[in-house]
Amino acid sequence: AQSVTQLDSQVPVFEEAPVELRCNYSSSVSVYLFWYVQYPNQGLQLLLKYLSGSTLVESINGFEAEFNKSQTSFHLRKPSVHISDTAEYFCAVLRNAGGTSYGKLTFGQGTILTVHP
Amino acid sequence: DTGVSQNPRHKITKRGQNVTFRCDPISEHNRLYWYRQTLGQGPEFLTYFQNEAQLEKSRLLSDRFSAERPKGSFSTLEIQRTEQGDSAMYLCASSLVGVYTEAFFGQGTRLTVV
Repeated sequence: AQSVTQLDSQVPVFEEAPVELRCNYSSSVSVYLFWYVQYPNQGLQLLLKYLSGSTLVESINGFEAEFNKSQTSFHLRKPSVHISDTAEYFCAVLRNAGGTSYGKLTFGQGTILTVHP
Repeated sequence: DTGVSQNPRHKITKRGQNVTFRCDPISEHNRLYWYRQTLGQGPEFLTYFQNEAQLEKSRLLSDRFSAERPKGSFSTLEIQRTEQGDSAMYLCASSLVGVYTEAFFGQGTRLTVV
């Protein structure tokens, strides 16, 4: 079984400041890793994913996350946040069963990022 | 295509009543998932369909819960004899079959049991 721990339930930050949302996972098998974002009154949207290859992955709106296998972490970072980044962020893992998976995601508890002007 | 659609968006029901939610996935997607999200928690997997076959059910899905996907297109999730503990956001997602394919989520149905 897999589990995901997001170490901070809420992260308040001022606009243009850097931010890091922490995620650690536990799994006895290889996994894919994801960050999803949920804006108020909207559904979950995929922000970025790590499947293989480069351990540093980026989103189109300036977020990045680095897969650290030894520390079983996948922290999300952004060097300068905007008011519009205010949302709840979920880290998730997907069991990689020999290169295939049917898509059952295991989510962390979520981190509410609030960006203040 | 407008994405994954869930109806209703909100449902308030009295304890003991039955409720049914509907999910319309993205049209060509043959995988469909149901998740439940309670306040302060991340989504938890409930069940999964590939086409019309229900291939896995979580232990969270008690006997009062039943899900169907009769023609491999839309899906329904029914809760019988609702309890206050069933109050949650019920999320549906869909994806294509493949080594890895992105799951797209609907906006969810918020159930409140009073």
